[in-house]
Amino acid sequence: QKEVEQNSGPLSVPEGAIASLNCTYSDRGSQSFFWYRQYSGKSPELIMFIYSNGDKEDGRFTAQLNKASQYVSLLIRDSQPSDSATYLCAVNPGGKSTFGDGTTLTVKP
Amino acid sequence: NAGVTQTPKFQVLKTGQSMTLQCAQDMNHNSMYWYRQDPGMGLRLIYYSASEGTTDKGEVPNGYNVSRLNKREFSLRLESAAPSQTSVYFCASSERREAFFGQGTRLTVV
Repeated sequence: QKEVEQNSGPLSVPEGAIASLNCTYSDRGSQSFFWYRQYSGKSPELIMFIYSNGDKEDGRFTAQLNKASQYVSLLIRDSQPSDSATYLCAVNPGGKSTFGDGTTLTVKP
Repeated sequence: NAGVTQTPKFQVLKTGQSMTLQCAQDMNHNSMYWYRQDPGMGLRLIYYSASEGTTDKGEVPNGYNVSRLNKREFSLRLESAAPSQTSVYFCASSERREAFFGQGTRLTVV
């Protein structure tokens, strides 16, 4: 079992819709969780991090964490074509992040 | 602010050749990392350094060596390149939370 698993994708949503990206992790001791966005040919950039159970909102982005279910998700509201990218979930046990394989999102105008 | 700088951006090697990928950060971070990313896959950790003078193996260290030259610089060396090492290599640095990435090195081994 991979340490961090993401929905395989690709995910396609119409402009203005909500995109939902999901991630599960295997290490119950994990304390910090990150979502990175990576445009094609570019390096990853952090968009959200979450440490506590519940929801964390930042603009159009909401990260949700459920440690009991070992599940973290990212919701993108009012999706825009500029949100089209690969989204990487990362879990940071012990200070070095373990990344999922990513979910590629396409937002169609 | 430069952030994390990697050199070179592109490289083509012949099988068996050696090379060193350079990485420098100007954010005074203690931790530095080398990842590789193969097409359609996430980042896999090769080596990391929690502080100057220390290095540790990650998920895929075979065929690589690293040097943490000082707090700013962390280099990755391929002693005898193999086609399986064709990938995009990212260096990153962090201070407890967010990791900042360099622009990547696209390496092709023929």
